[in-house]
Amino acid sequence: GQQLNQSPQSMFIQEGEDVSMNCTSSSIFNTWLWYKQDPGEGPVLLIALYKAGELTSNGRLTAQFGITRKDSFLNISASIPSDVGIYFCAGQLGGGNEKLTFGTGTRLTIIP
Amino acid sequence: NAGVTQTPKFQVLKTGQSMTLQCAQDMNHNSMYWYRQDPGMGLRLIYYSASEGTTDKGEVPNGYNVSRLNKREFSLRLESAAPSQTSVYFCASGGYEQYFGPGTRLTVT
Repeated sequence: GQQLNQSPQSMFIQEGEDVSMNCTSSSIFNTWLWYKQDPGEGPVLLIALYKAGELTSNGRLTAQFGITRKDSFLNISASIPSDVGIYFCAGQLGGGNEKLTFGTGTRLTIIP
Repeated sequence: NAGVTQTPKFQVLKTGQSMTLQCAQDMNHNSMYWYRQDPGMGLRLIYYSASEGTTDKGEVPNGYNVSRLNKREFSLRLESAAPSQTSVYFCASGGYEQYFGPGTRLTVT
């Protein structure tokens, strides 16, 4: 089955730095979602994107729906310790097909 | 408003044993899903239910069965557990936006 290519696989940053990650697909999606997963927990929805070119923010997080519909980007500004975790992108065809295809995740670690 | 709940949180099975993972949601969603998560991989869809009374296979359905008991509840059954089914299992509900439960960590020895 298809999985989305998510990069980077892992990031080691210092507190206060900005973070960028992206997700690419060989096929078009009509909805992009970004989730964060803490250790031992289920994924939590951060941002949902519904329109090509859309830019949406949630606090220090900003995500963009790529214009080609085959990619999406997530930026975190001024990282803080609670940003540590694994970030997953997910694409959805929509139009009655609600199944999500997930990326393999980006693991974010903050170096003291 | 508990969202999506799953039981049990942890389970250890011997090869060949059976068990049922339970999931319930209180958000009045029509659609519910079962995923598995393995190290280094994203979540993969096992089965989903678009509405009460309907179920469909996802990407990795072999070795599993599901029951959509009512609008709130969607269970996943392993009839004869195998070590390859050692994983973390997540239930989710929702349409365009899916909301996940806390997971069941299953080990098959």
